[in-house]
Amino acid sequence: QQQVKQSPQSLIVQKGGISIINCAYENTAFDYFPWYQQFPGKGPALLIAIRPDVSEKKEGRFTISFNKSAKQFSLHIMDSQPGDSATYFCAARNTGKLIFGQGTTLQVKP
Amino acid sequence: GAVVSQHPSRVICKSGTSVKIECRSLDFQATTMFWYRQFPKQSLMLMATSNEGSKATYEQGVEKDKFLINHASLTLSTLTVTSAHPEDSSFYICSARELAGPQHFGDGTRLSIL
Repeated sequence: QQQVKQSPQSLIVQKGGISIINCAYENTAFDYFPWYQQFPGKGPALLIAIRPDVSEKKEGRFTISFNKSAKQFSLHIMDSQPGDSATYFCAARNTGKLIFGQGTTLQVKP
Repeated sequence: GAVVSQHPSRVICKSGTSVKIECRSLDFQATTMFWYRQFPKQSLMLMATSNEGSKATYEQGVEKDKFLINHASLTLSTLTVTSAHPEDSSFYICSARELAGPQHFGDGTRLSIL
């Protein structure tokens, strides 16, 4: 299965709160799991990525948690800010191609 | 670093016109470039993959005669939408990758066919 299922579809968080977005996959051949941030009218920008042999990766306020046995991974945005309001996509790579999740629209309220 | 420039950012044209979109990697050599299509509030759908000097590989359901892709150099790929019709209106995004590195995306082209 080449699908990547992402939830929730939309998320509203108060400033300073934690935003959590989840993704699940089936294909064990996926070898790289990036998260992208997209603002309206712009292309996606790489936020953070993880390989399946690592359970967690942190870069600044962004953390990926990866559960290989459950085939799930999640993005945590700590201390969420209004500037984080955007659409977030998880993705998984197989044979060099990225399969994207459906996207999560995050709104951070001041 | 890793800047991908896409041009034009927006194009509006009449039905039946062919439209060319350029994708350039400005500070790295892109051995592989990808073209995606994104409908409003939807995810990115891969259309095709191109390696420099080779024919593009199209995803299932993408018409290769409709969407012509050329990757003539390590820094430039072009997508030509031939005889465009209103249903081809969409947001087209390219990405570029150096060897086995991550994909870096351009800012997309909003194509509107009247």
